[in-house]
Amino acid sequence: GDSVTQMEGPVTLSEEAFLTINCTYTATGYPSLFWYVQYPGEGLQLLLKATKADDKGSNKGFEATYRKETTSFHLEKGSVQVSDSAVYFCALSDGGKGDYKLSFGAGTTVTVRA
Amino acid sequence: NAGVTQTPKFQVLKTGQSMTLQCAQDMNHEYMSWYRQDPGMGLRLIHYSVGAGITDQGEVPNGYNVSRSTTEDFPLRLLSAAPSQTSVYFCASSSTSGSFYNEQFFGPGTRLTVL
Repeated sequence: GDSVTQMEGPVTLSEEAFLTINCTYTATGYPSLFWYVQYPGEGLQLLLKATKADDKGSNKGFEATYRKETTSFHLEKGSVQVSDSAVYFCALSDGGKGDYKLSFGAGTTVTVRA
Repeated sequence: NAGVTQTPKFQVLKTGQSMTLQCAQDMNHEYMSWYRQDPGMGLRLIHYSVGAGITDQGEVPNGYNVSRSTTEDFPLRLLSAAPSQTSVYFCASSSTSGSFYNEQFFGPGTRLTVL
């Protein structure tokens, strides 16, 4: 079945450091890929998405490129801020199966220190 | 718009008790779902619905019931609570028009502890 594997945390960084969170996936079809972010005490919200190979999703300084050849969707940000401290989830949806289900990775906790 | 709302925010139950977690959305979304979040396991799908009167099981449905009598509401019922159901529960909704890849909107969660 479909699955998502993302790097384990926690990750602790200093402000203005470079952040990368690795995500790889397994899917039988042609999935769409997502990064969701969960700020402390809140629900998840969509950060960015890519719906086909070589698409780049971007939002709030974060970027991720859909790499079909390596089945990856790594999240990057060039200069993090304290406000980026959150849990980040990689997810996929295999719409080719005719449903709307999301499969999530385990989540990566990121803490940015001033 | 209030988006997706969930009540209660926190709940403590004793083993064997039953309760209903409420979820409502005001975006006229057809698709609604329930997830549980456990440390190191991400979010796992419990039940979902593609419209009023239609529900189906997700990855971890045992011990939970759902119904969808209206577009707006999608309650989750715990029939006989067990300590293994201690978790944070999230409700989510999305539109089904145009794409299977529409953004899912999440509620703030319900933190449930079963003693």
